[in-house]
Amino acid sequence: DAGVTQSPTHLIKTRGQHVTLRCSPISGHKSVSWYQQVLGQGPQFIFQYYEKEERGRGNFPDRFSARQFPNYSSELNVNALLLGDSALYLCASSLIYEQYFGPGTRLTVT
Amino acid sequence: AQSVAQPEDQVNVAEGNPLTVKCTYSVSGNPYLFWYVQYPNRGLQFLLKYITGDNLVKGSYGFEAEFNKSQTSFHLKKPSALVSDSALYFCAVRVIAISGGYQKVTFGTGTKLQVIP
Repeated sequence: DAGVTQSPTHLIKTRGQHVTLRCSPISGHKSVSWYQQVLGQGPQFIFQYYEKEERGRGNFPDRFSARQFPNYSSELNVNALLLGDSALYLCASSLIYEQYFGPGTRLTVT
Repeated sequence: AQSVAQPEDQVNVAEGNPLTVKCTYSVSGNPYLFWYVQYPNRGLQFLLKYITGDNLVKGSYGFEAEFNKSQTSFHLKKPSALVSDSALYFCAVRVIAISGGYQKVTFGTGTKLQVIP
């Protein structure tokens, strides 16, 4: 079975631009979560979606938004990019307890 | 609020020796506890979890962890370290909200394990 997939792998954007990151969960997983991992730190929770509804949101500004589609894939959108948004963005899907992570999207904002 | 502490930024151990990576947590309610491993430029890989039951849980690649409720700890252990175990290890805690099934997961800051040949 395929694991969690994310696209793109790497992305370079300029301050003020917008970015969309995509995630496909493991087949059968209905829950998708997004995390931001800054170099040298643990993942920080951004959003959780379950059955296409937002179930939780971390301490991130409104520039961050997400959605989940009927096939349970998900998009994370970030508007008005700042230098501090440079990070590895991780998507995770889960069935019951543990989460399974994708390889991440490395976003660099210049 | 829930939190996870990994008091050691780095742990060095000789190949073949036992290893321990420490984790303590703070939650309101019963915790679900996890260990993940991250290799350079990769996502996190699930190693093991504690949900309920036996305090000693076994996971992938020979790793195990012991849940200690009185000390609010969940230390990761392996009897004999391999060079290939060198990676970044994260402890995480999750508490189920009473309503809505929302699963907030909090990660520690990570411990770099270096296994020396």
